Amino acid sequence: NAGVTQTPKFQVLKTGQSMTLQCAQDMNHEYMSWYRQDPGMGLRLIHYSVGAGITDQGEVPNGYNVSRSTTEDFPLRLLSAAPSQTSVYFCASSYSSGTRYEQYFGPGTRLTVT
Amino acid sequence: AQSVTQLGSHVSVSEGALVLLRCNYSSSVPPYLFWYVQYPNQGLQLLLKYTTGATLVKGINGFEAEFKKSETSFHLTKPSAHMSDAAEYFCAVKVGGFKTIFGAGTRLFVKA
Repeated sequence: NAGVTQTPKFQVLKTGQSMTLQCAQDMNHEYMSWYRQDPGMGLRLIHYSVGAGITDQGEVPNGYNVSRSTTEDFPLRLLSAAPSQTSVYFCASSYSSGTRYEQYFGPGTRLTVT
Repeated sequence: AQSVTQLGSHVSVSEGALVLLRCNYSSSVPPYLFWYVQYPNQGLQLLLKYTTGATLVKGINGFEAEFKKSETSFHLTKPSAHMSDAAEYFCAVKVGGFKTIFGAGTRLFVKA
């Protein structure tokens, strides 16, 4: 049971390049989300998904796209990277049943855009 | 709108002293509340959470937090700080469905 995995761990991009951050979970959770972490700002929600084929925007969606074709995978795409997207990105998956709620985070991807 | 405020971006305590990290939230519905810890260059680890029931919640590593509805607070405490507690701590609130809002974080320094 690997939990939530993210690849790559580190990435450097030039302005204007595109890339996809990968996220996968093996817990069969319906809900998955992407956050970015910036100093002094905590974690901010970029996009989330409540199940395969269903996605929605969070607090800071501009410049990012997502899709959810399977329960396991939730990739985050940067279509044209900008220096403002330099950040640490965390993927999370969640489970809720009654009053029970569990959220698991991946190890993060550190992205630098030059 | 729901929000989370962590008072103090940096807190410094001596080893063996009380740790108190403050968190206030606003929510129009009964909240689920969380504290996470993040060690340098690592991901987030859940310390403890409140969903329903007992308002004093005990977590890992000797931490506990008390949900006070009247004060809309969920402060994190530990009676005696250890050097290994030095990290960044995040308070978070689940706002309906699955969305979670995080505070800006408090970095804890522990002096020998």
